[in-house]
This record gives sequence, C-alpha cells and structure tokens, in this order.
Amino acid sequence: EIVLTQSPGTLSLSPGERATLSCRASQSVSSSYLAWYQHKPGQAPRLLIYGASSRATDIPDRFSGSGSGTDFTLTISRLEPEDFAVYFCQQFVSSPLRITFGQGTRLEIK
Amino acid sequence: QVQLVQSGAEVMQPGASLQLSCKASGYAFTTYGFSWVRQAPGQGLEWMGWVSAYNGNTYYAQTLQGRVTMTTDTSTTTAYMELRSLVSDDTAVYYCARDLGWTSGSYTYYLHHWGQGTLVTVSS
Repeated sequence: EIVLTQSPGTLSLSPGERATLSCRASQSVSSSYLAWYQHKPGQAPRLLIYGASSRATDIPDRFSGSGSGTDFTLTISRLEPEDFAVYFCQQFVSSPLRITFGQGTRLEIK
Repeated sequence: QVQLVQSGAEVMQPGASLQLSCKASGYAFTTYGFSWVRQAPGQGLEWMGWVSAYNGNTYYAQTLQGRVTMTTDTSTTTAYMELRSLVSDDTAVYYCARDLGWTSGSYTYYLHHWGQGTLVTVSS
C-alpha cells in the first residue's frame, strides 16, 4: 500500500501570503494519480486538484498542483480568508483498487 | 446539479450492524462508482471501499474485508454501505463520494462529489 506523508502538519500564514503544502509518497504514484482536497469543519471535502496538476471544476486559479513520482505540491498563491482549512492528498491504484489519503495539513490563520 | 444525500445520524450498540444510504441525483447513475470514506474524531480520512453503480463490482479496504458490504440500487439511484460487528473505533463521520470518472481517456477514482456526511456513534 502506498503511504502518503504530508508536511507540514500545521502551517500558519496570513491572508495574502503564499502557501506551499507537500505530499510525499512511499513509492511512485502511477500516472500521477494524485489529488488534493480541501476540508472545512462540518462540511464535505472538496476536490481541488486531480492528476497532480489539473484544477477541478470551479476551483480558483490561485490553487495549483505540481509534482510527479513521489513528490507533489499544492500551492495557494495568495491566501484568501476562506482558504484556511485542512488539506488532504489522495492517490489510487486501480487493479485492485486501493485509495489512500495523507494525514492532512492544517492551514491556519497566523 | 449532482447531489448526494445521505441518511441521518445513527447511534449504534457494539456488535450491531449499520446500514447507511446515499441517494444520488442529477446525473446518469450507472456511469460512475461510489467510494465510502470515514473520518474518526481527530483523525484523517480513511477509504473504506468502492462499488460500481454499473455492475455492482466492489473493492474493499483490507482492514474492513469481511465486515463491510457495499451495494447500489439502480431503481432508486441509491448506494448503500453495511458495516457489521461494530466496535467503538467505528465511531466516525461517514461519507459517500462519487468518482470523477473518465478523464484523458482513463477512468479515475478521484472523489468529485460528496454527500453531506453521516455521524455514527458506537456506544453501549
């Protein structure tokens, strides 16, 4: 099973700053089958990025994803107040299907 | 628009069986599959398994194999998840989520649409 390790555990930044979140896989993620989600308390997670770098529908362009192999990054170029949340990365392998999540990075207001 | 509406909160006894539902609307039901994901208090997201709405094929997380069954009903466009022999560690918010599906020529298992979540408490 591929283990995803996210860092940092908590990131304290101010609105307007740039956020860089990391997701490292224990082995190479096939075809960059890596996604990022935003999760706010009391809400369902929201898909932000899939295929390592493609933005999902209606996701603002301040969110971008990059990386391949075992190292992936989510960047939020200029933080808005509504961006403070927990962010998870996710990968899958398809035969047989196995989906794993990172443990999350909490992005909090400094 | 796509909507997934889950059944309501449950309080369960240890050893009991749980069944949750996830009513889908706003798209062609059999085109996509569903994952079930849970989040225990203070923990991250845990994938529980996946069911195809097209043919009922399933994949389950190894940690839950033998205790979980996932099904769909195409007549009511509803996905179901049954979890048996409940223990206190099964206390969590449970989500159903629909696949993103076909992208760039491949079927993908990203979780595009989510239900609102169902709080399940296992306690005697």
